[in-house]
Amino acid sequence: GQNIDQPTEMTATEGAIVQINCTYQTSGFNGLFWYQQHAGEAPTFLSYNVLDGLEEKGRFSSFLSRSKGYSYLLLKELQMKDSASYLCAAMDSNYQLIWGAGTKLIIKP
Amino acid sequence: GAVVSQHPSWVICKSGTSVKIECRSLDFQATTMFWYRQFPKQSLMLMATSNEGSKATYEQGVEKDKFLINHASLTLSTLTVTSAHPEDSSFYICSARGTASGDSYEQYFGPGTRLTVT
Repeated sequence: GQNIDQPTEMTATEGAIVQINCTYQTSGFNGLFWYQQHAGEAPTFLSYNVLDGLEEKGRFSSFLSRSKGYSYLLLKELQMKDSASYLCAAMDSNYQLIWGAGTKLIIKP
Repeated sequence: GAVVSQHPSWVICKSGTSVKIECRSLDFQATTMFWYRQFPKQSLMLMATSNEGSKATYEQGVEKDKFLINHASLTLSTLTVTSAHPEDSSFYICSARGTASGDSYEQYFGPGTRLTVT
């Protein structure tokens, strides 16, 4: 079966660094997406990885290991506005997104 | 670029009535549109996938006669919730994929429609 696992909730301190992990099992693989979703709003795109390695984009970075079926999203210099849910989604061989349940990130002052 | 709009942003209707939600890609052609439902504190649940000009493909457990999807053009898809009941109250989100997606097949999300059935 197809499955995405990520932690349900994480807490971090403003100004710190947090890493949100995601493991996936899909029928075929065409890339891994990370989306941010604030409460009551639609998801917004953060990153896309299809090759192994780290992609850095400002305060956010995303890493992928295809052999391990593993990805992480790294958030640096945390700000209060980063409090949100972070959704991991893997694209299968049919180019369909398989969604994780999301990780709720709570930022404390 | 790659903007997707939804209308209405919120709607309240009485039980037994039907509600239509529109999803439009404003600056690109959406060959594929997706409809999701999200209950509070839960992740996105894919309801159906529609390709322009063809019938939608529904996920297991989603009633096609209750959730009517029409993808009549490359910029518009509609979801009609027929004979709505309180349990249909949810956040409905559409996304689109097409000429703006490039090699990543990225989906661009609309802002969502909050449906409340009384």
